[in-house]
Amino acid sequence: GENVEQHPSTLSVQEGDSAVIKCTYSDSASNYFPWYKQELGKRPQLIIDIRSNVGEKKDQRIAVTLNKTAKHFSLHITETQPEDSAVYFCAARPDSSYKLIFGSGTRLLVRP
Amino acid sequence: DGGITQSPKYLFRKEGQNVTLSCEQNLNHDAMYWYRQDPGQGLRLIYYSQIVNDFQKGDIAEGYSVSREKKESFPLTVTSAQKNPTAFYLCASRLPGTGSSGMNTEAFFGQGTRLTVV
Repeated sequence: GENVEQHPSTLSVQEGDSAVIKCTYSDSASNYFPWYKQELGKRPQLIIDIRSNVGEKKDQRIAVTLNKTAKHFSLHITETQPEDSAVYFCAARPDSSYKLIFGSGTRLLVRP
Repeated sequence: DGGITQSPKYLFRKEGQNVTLSCEQNLNHDAMYWYRQDPGQGLRLIYYSQIVNDFQKGDIAEGYSVSREKKESFPLTVTSAQKNPTAFYLCASRLPGTGSSGMNTEAFFGQGTRLTVV
């Protein structure tokens, strides 16, 4: 069945450095790839998403890249800040399906 | 806040009992989802529903049941057949999206219910 793998499971960076989280997916029909951020004790919230008709999307300090041939996509956070510390989830879904499958999550710690 | 409400926030269950978790949304979303989140793990899909009176099993449906009698409501019952029910449960909803239309297909999550078996 469909599967989304996410790496690393934990990531610690110094404030100001960049952080990269990678995901791979198995369903080649997937064409929508959102990223969610979950702060401690709170609900997951969408931070950025990308569709398969584009290779990269940026929103201020965050960006997502997609390699559809290799079936992987990545989240890039530049100039990290302590408030970026959270758990980040990637997900994949084909538009023809309502099923939204998440990766296992990455716990990001930004050290001041 | 978000238009999707889960209740209760904390729930304690005795072994052998069924419990029902509530999820209500006023976002007029057709699709609704239930996920289970265990410590240090991701969001695993239990059930999802595309439309009223229709729902499909996710990856870990055993020991759970759902209903979708109204568009706004998607309750989850954790039955006694679920051997390890202690977890954090998240409900979500979204509009059905089509890639070409560019319609916002963001999933909105409730605040979650933490279920503990005592």
